[in-house]
Amino acid sequence: DTAVSQTPKYLVTQMGNDKSIKCEQNLGHDTMYWYKQDSKKFLKIMFSYNNKELIINETVPNRFSPKSPDKAHLNLHINSLELGDSAVYFCASSLGGVGNTIYFGEGSWLTVV
Amino acid sequence: GNSVTQMEGPVTLSEEAFLTINCTYTATGYPSLFWYVQYPGEGLQLLLKATKADDKGSNKGFEATYRKETTSFHLEKGSVQVSDSAVYFCAQSNTGNQFYFGTGTSLTVIP
Repeated sequence: DTAVSQTPKYLVTQMGNDKSIKCEQNLGHDTMYWYKQDSKKFLKIMFSYNNKELIINETVPNRFSPKSPDKAHLNLHINSLELGDSAVYFCASSLGGVGNTIYFGEGSWLTVV
Repeated sequence: GNSVTQMEGPVTLSEEAFLTINCTYTATGYPSLFWYVQYPGEGLQLLLKATKADDKGSNKGFEATYRKETTSFHLEKGSVQVSDSAVYFCAQSNTGNQFYFGTGTSLTVIP
């Protein structure tokens, strides 16, 4: 069983469209994250939820809106897509607590044309 | 504040060469330290970790030692293989809820 799964893996869409990426973890973790990785592999935290509550909200355009229906799911909705949104988006989860590890999904490759 | 600095790449080595990727951190308190590896087209996977000073993390021939006095966690491997070609990320966390990643170091191993 995949621990952190996200869908879709590949997404090609036109500028101005709205799209969503879904994420689910079956690890029983309390904290979930969205990261953005650019073409130079730089990894940037976007959001973090703990038990469905937003705890990290980095400087991200309002067009990005996370939603956590329960602690096993954290979805990312993006409105009015722009060319600069093209990147790989990673969902991740962790148990919290000192020494615990963060686990990543396989990534969602978003291309805006 | 909390941050991680790792050596810039890309790094290109011949098979069986010795690898070192430097990583230093700034943190409040004593964070846990991690190395993650990202193979092409995949997500990040935990390679090794250390949770307190002088701990050595090791996995698949890779090692890193938590050095509090130099605030470092350098990644080493005695003999790299082509299959080690990947991007390596150093990371730290104080709480297990917020993780700080370095910028990644791309490694290419040539036969």
